[in-house]
Amino acid sequence: KAGVTQTPRYLIKTRGQQVTLSCSPISGHRSVSWYQQTPGQGLQFLFEYFSETQRNKGNFPGRFSGRQFSNSRSEMNVSTLELGDSALYLCASSLDGGRSTDTQYFGPGTRLTVL
Amino acid sequence: QKEVEQNSGPLSVPEGAIASLNCTYSDRGSQSFFWYRQYSGKSPELIMSIYSNGDKEDGRFTAQLNKASQYVSLLIRDSQPSDSATYLCAVGGRSQGNLIFGKGTKLSVKP
Repeated sequence: KAGVTQTPRYLIKTRGQQVTLSCSPISGHRSVSWYQQTPGQGLQFLFEYFSETQRNKGNFPGRFSGRQFSNSRSEMNVSTLELGDSALYLCASSLDGGRSTDTQYFGPGTRLTVL
Repeated sequence: QKEVEQNSGPLSVPEGAIASLNCTYSDRGSQSFFWYRQYSGKSPELIMSIYSNGDKEDGRFTAQLNKASQYVSLLIRDSQPSDSATYLCAVGGRSQGNLIFGKGTKLSVKP
């Protein structure tokens, strides 16, 4: 079974631009969570989608948004990029997401660099 | 603020030794606990999950959970240089789809 895929793998943008990242979960998985990983803050939860609905949101500004499509694929968008947005963005999928016990499997990540 | 704490390391052990990685968490209501391994430049890879007090073994890896002490650990027996990586402790929050991660412990296994 194919794992979680993320595109693009690498991205370079300049301040003020916006960016869209894509995530395809493992086949059959309905929950997609997004995380930001930086050397200083570690892995931080952005938001989680299930059945095209955002169910949970972390403590990030409104510039960070996302959506999920009917095939469970998800996108996240960051508008008005700041230097501090440079990070590894990770997507994780889980089978149901309805329980905190569900195991999350991570994709390879998108490395975003903001200049 | 729910927190997960890990010693950042680096933890250095000789090849063949037992590596012991520790993690504490603040939310007593946490129900699920995970250990992920992350090689430099790669994404986290699941090693173990544990939900009940006690030990859970999988090959060279043993996860230990003590909910009363809010403590979870990972033991790696017969450590190999290929085990050198950052180990992330993650705790399932009360809300769905939200894992709270520690900042990780960097393990170095010396040949």
